[in-house]
Amino acid sequence: GENVEQHPSTLSVQEGDSAVIKCTYSDSASNYFPWYKQELGKRPQLIIDIRSNVGEKKDQRIAVTLNKTAKHFSLHITETQPEDSAVYFCAASKDTNAGKSTFGDGTTLTVKP
Amino acid sequence: GAVVSQHPSWVICKSGTSVKIECRSLDFQATTMFWYRQFPKQSLMLMATSNEGSKATYEQGVEKDKFLINHASLTLSTLTVTSAHPEDSSFYICSAREPNRGPSTDTQYFGPGTRLTVL
Repeated sequence: GENVEQHPSTLSVQEGDSAVIKCTYSDSASNYFPWYKQELGKRPQLIIDIRSNVGEKKDQRIAVTLNKTAKHFSLHITETQPEDSAVYFCAASKDTNAGKSTFGDGTTLTVKP
Repeated sequence: GAVVSQHPSWVICKSGTSVKIECRSLDFQATTMFWYRQFPKQSLMLMATSNEGSKATYEQGVEKDKFLINHASLTLSTLTVTSAHPEDSSFYICSAREPNRGPSTDTQYFGPGTRLTVL
């Protein structure tokens, strides 16, 4: 089955700096890669996603890049703000698997004011 | 985004009792729902995939007789933790998928979670 590894497990940055979280996956058939943000005690919220036919996608301060050959994808947050502090999860899934996703272990991001 | 609700948001029960958790898609029909378990500071662990009108598919290591899942309609799936024990205490989250909704056919919308504490 699919295996998703996420690094780092914790990340602390100064407000205004950039943050990068990286994930690797094992199943070359995976073709959908969402990123979720989960604040303490709350539900995971989709913040950005990318499909395998695209190499990069950007939405304001958030961007995701995908390298299919190397089987890794990354989340980039620029101009970080304290409200970006949360746990971020990457995931991988494929159309042939009825939407079942495999999640990374999560990265706890702390943005210091 | 789509709205998924869960009820109850938290529950405390005695060991040996059964607890039912409901997951509803409020503004769309969810052909597939997923049930996850999340321990503190850990990732989402998929327990089972619930498809409307058919039996749930359980992940390896998840006891189907312990965690009963019913997906009787396109907007409701239930998870019943039977004969709950303290080790079942956890945060249970459901998600719903509707192929014609969202940025991808695989986009999942999560419920707010249910905190189960078994005494």
